[in-house]
Amino acid sequence: GAVVSQHPSWVICKSGTSVKIECRSLDFQATTMFWYRQFPKQSLMLMATSNEGSKATYEQGVEKDKFLINHASLTLSTLTVTSAHPEDSSFYICSTTRTGISSNQPQHFGDGTRLSIL
Amino acid sequence: AQSVAQPEDQVNVAEGNPLTVKCTYSVSGNPYLFWYVQYPNRGLQFLLKYITGDNLVKGSYGFEAEFNKSQTSFHLKKPSALVSDSALYFCAVRASDNYGQNFVFGPGTRLSVLP
Repeated sequence: GAVVSQHPSWVICKSGTSVKIECRSLDFQATTMFWYRQFPKQSLMLMATSNEGSKATYEQGVEKDKFLINHASLTLSTLTVTSAHPEDSSFYICSTTRTGISSNQPQHFGDGTRLSIL
Repeated sequence: AQSVAQPEDQVNVAEGNPLTVKCTYSVSGNPYLFWYVQYPNRGLQFLLKYITGDNLVKGSYGFEAEFNKSQTSFHLKKPSALVSDSALYFCAVRASDNYGQNFVFGPGTRLSVLP
């Protein structure tokens, strides 16, 4: 069954709205979560790495004030798209590894959130 | 630096025929290699991984992949394709000594299995 729950799955909202996306690990503690953005027919682009209890690490070119990440507990990380505009419309996906950040374990992905800004 | 190439944007195969989705990688040190599948409007699902040992790795849904160190490849294969295998496939790599760092994903290959 699913080990990572992502919510909501689809959001349609007006320009200027802030949207929060939640990512939960269901039966394990997730010290680290990854947030990706995926454009149509393209690969995943890592936006940021979220570490429980500390500030997220953002990839180059990703606006940290635009994409606010909070990882306040070992089972929940949130991504807030602030003052969203049509160019922020995309598919956002979170992931984590079951055993922390061991490099030989696969990542487990949420089902993604499709964000459409009108 | 790590990188992954999937040379084919699209692969078409008839149902019942064998399929191959290609992946080549570049990494310093020993690689950990992964294949994921993505269905429309869904996250990625793990199919299989190569860490060490036998070069032929078997995974979910009848898929397998062969690690070839000399060719730096990790092609995904299935002996008999199903229409339900139609999806987007991603190859990913991570260096074995890259503890704590993220995966690098290939650009993806869209597989279409025709009935």
